[in-house]
Amino acid sequence: DSGVTQTPKHLITATGQRVTLRCSPRSGDLSVYWYQQSLDQGLQFLIQYYNGEERAKGNILERFSAQQFPDLHSELNLSSLELGDSALYFCASSGQGVVKNIQYFGAGTRLSVL
Amino acid sequence: EDQVTQSPEALRLQEGESSSLNCSYTVSGLRGLFWYRQDPGKGPEFLFTLYSAGEEKEKERLKATLTKKESFLHITAPKPEDSATYLCAVLASGGSYIPTFGRGTSLIVHP
Repeated sequence: DSGVTQTPKHLITATGQRVTLRCSPRSGDLSVYWYQQSLDQGLQFLIQYYNGEERAKGNILERFSAQQFPDLHSELNLSSLELGDSALYFCASSGQGVVKNIQYFGAGTRLSVL
Repeated sequence: EDQVTQSPEALRLQEGESSSLNCSYTVSGLRGLFWYRQDPGKGPEFLFTLYSAGEEKEKERLKATLTKKESFLHITAPKPEDSATYLCAVLASGGSYIPTFGRGTSLIVHP
């Protein structure tokens, strides 16, 4: 168990809909990262938050947004969903000190857009 | 641009047949290299981090090594439970703290 919690585990929705994925980082970790993983794209970085502030942005679509709350949990919002958004979405967190660069991943949310 | 290439893409071994997975990287400066194991439908599980050429780390049947251009994940006498996808990621010095991931090597160990 990595200590990173993601909910829900599975989401099935229709095109055009909006969903919210939730992530609770490991205790004490300030950084949260979101990744998308599909069969043909591998693990793609979306966005990073550090202590409530956006720190880095990757290949995140304008239809997607995220935030990190004061209790450090994070949410990834996906709107106007398309078939191609079907994928596994992972959250990772990292800490401070010597091991601050190591990312620990949650179990993921499998999104199916029908 | 940072690049990470893993080979082979897929590897099939018989139980007990040792082998190595390769991760070649191109970065302006290496802050760290990470190995992860990922089971189907699950999140990547952290295995090792290596920081400088010549460094080695071991865990059970796995041993990771690092040179200035590549890393190897050696699997000694593998068992079927070692079957998984192994991901390599590199973190470059300077700039953001976002690692670049390779596409992974899918390992299947037959009993």
